[in-house]
Amino acid sequence: KQEVTQIPAALSVPEGENLVLNCSFTDSAIYNLQWFRQDPGKGLTSLLLIQSSQREQTSGRLNASLDKSSGRSTLYIAASQPGDSATYLCAVTSGGSYIPTFGRGTSLIVHP
Amino acid sequence: GAGVSQSPSNKVTEKGKDVELRCDPISGHTALYWYRQSLGQGLEFLIYFQGNSAPDKSGLPSDRFSAERTGGSVSTLTIQRTQQEDSAVYLCASSLEVRYEQYFGPGTRLTVT
Repeated sequence: KQEVTQIPAALSVPEGENLVLNCSFTDSAIYNLQWFRQDPGKGLTSLLLIQSSQREQTSGRLNASLDKSSGRSTLYIAASQPGDSATYLCAVTSGGSYIPTFGRGTSLIVHP
Repeated sequence: GAGVSQSPSNKVTEKGKDVELRCDPISGHTALYWYRQSLGQGLEFLIYFQGNSAPDKSGLPSDRFSAERTGGSVSTLTIQRTQQEDSAVYLCASSLEVRYEQYFGPGTRLTVT
């Protein structure tokens, strides 16, 4: 059974810092990995999707990498802004399943 | 086009009543997923549809929960004889096909009193 862990659970940084959020998974036979953000009281917003054949994806100030062999993905946020404050979740779809497994998320606060 | 929509946005019901939650996926998306998010908990998978069929119902927490999808579009999640532990935010997502990028709706907040 796939298990997804996100570290740290919470993070507070000053504006302007570059930061890294981590996602680890136990079964490396994945189909894809997706990063989301969730604002309080809202649904999830898709940030990046990495297919198993890819090593990284970039969108604006966001860069997500995938290392299947070590069971890890990182989300890099450059030059953080207060508007980046949210909970970030990763979801892994395993190779033998159509069901994504979600981590518990990293709660990020970027203070001015 | 429009994103995933869910209705109602909030629902307060008395214990023992039945409730129906609705999800309108993005037009053309063949896959549709239901999740539950309880306070302080992660996202719990409930069920997914490929077209109108639900190949995997293993995530439904009890036989009080059921879901259907008609016309390959709108889906309803029904909870019968609601219990207080059913209180949660119910999220729906759709994707072009299974294993493609998922797009989420805003959720329905269910409170059982």
